[in-house]
Amino acid sequence: KAGVTQTPRYLIKTRGQQVTLSCSPISGHRSVSWYQQTPGQGLQFLFEYFSETQRNKGNFPGRFSGRQFSNSRSEMNVSTLELGDSALYLCASSSPQNTEAFFGQGTRLTVV
Amino acid sequence: AQSVTQLDSQVPVFEEAPVELRCNYSSSVSVYLFWYVQYPNQGLQLLLKYLSGSTLVESINGFEAEFNKSQTSFHLRKPSVHISDTAEYFCAVIPSGAGSYQLTFGKGTKLSVIP
Repeated sequence: KAGVTQTPRYLIKTRGQQVTLSCSPISGHRSVSWYQQTPGQGLQFLFEYFSETQRNKGNFPGRFSGRQFSNSRSEMNVSTLELGDSALYLCASSSPQNTEAFFGQGTRLTVV
Repeated sequence: AQSVTQLDSQVPVFEEAPVELRCNYSSSVSVYLFWYVQYPNQGLQLLLKYLSGSTLVESINGFEAEFNKSQTSFHLRKPSVHISDTAEYFCAVIPSGAGSYQLTFGKGTKLSVIP
């Protein structure tokens, strides 16, 4: 069974640009959540999608958005990039019983 | 709301020595508890979890954690560490029976195993 796949693994963007990250969950998982990991703030919840609907949202500005498609694949978008958006972005899909989350390898975003 | 405190940001330990990584949580509702491990430039891997039942849970690679409800703790232990255990460890919680899946993480503990 394939794991959670995130693409791309690495990205370098310039301030002011926008970026889209992709996440393919484990087959059969309908919940996809996103986290931002930085050395200073640690792991912070961005949002969660379930059956194409945003079910929960963390405390991030509106520049951070996401969506989920009918095949459960999810994308997150960050517009007007700032230097502070440099981070490892992790995607997780959770089992139907919500008792376990499986994480992808992450996308390392560097904003210069 | 939930919060998780990992009391040690870094723990150096000699190879084959025992180790304990401490985790305390705060929550007004029942929670599920998890330990995740992260190797450099990798995602998070689930090490073990407590959902219900026996308060002592074990992983396949020798780690164990004990849920202590009265002390709201979920400390991770290993009786003899190996070089390959060098990594960052995260404790996390989620409300049991929650309608959405939102993990709350501690700040992490970097375990360094010294040869």
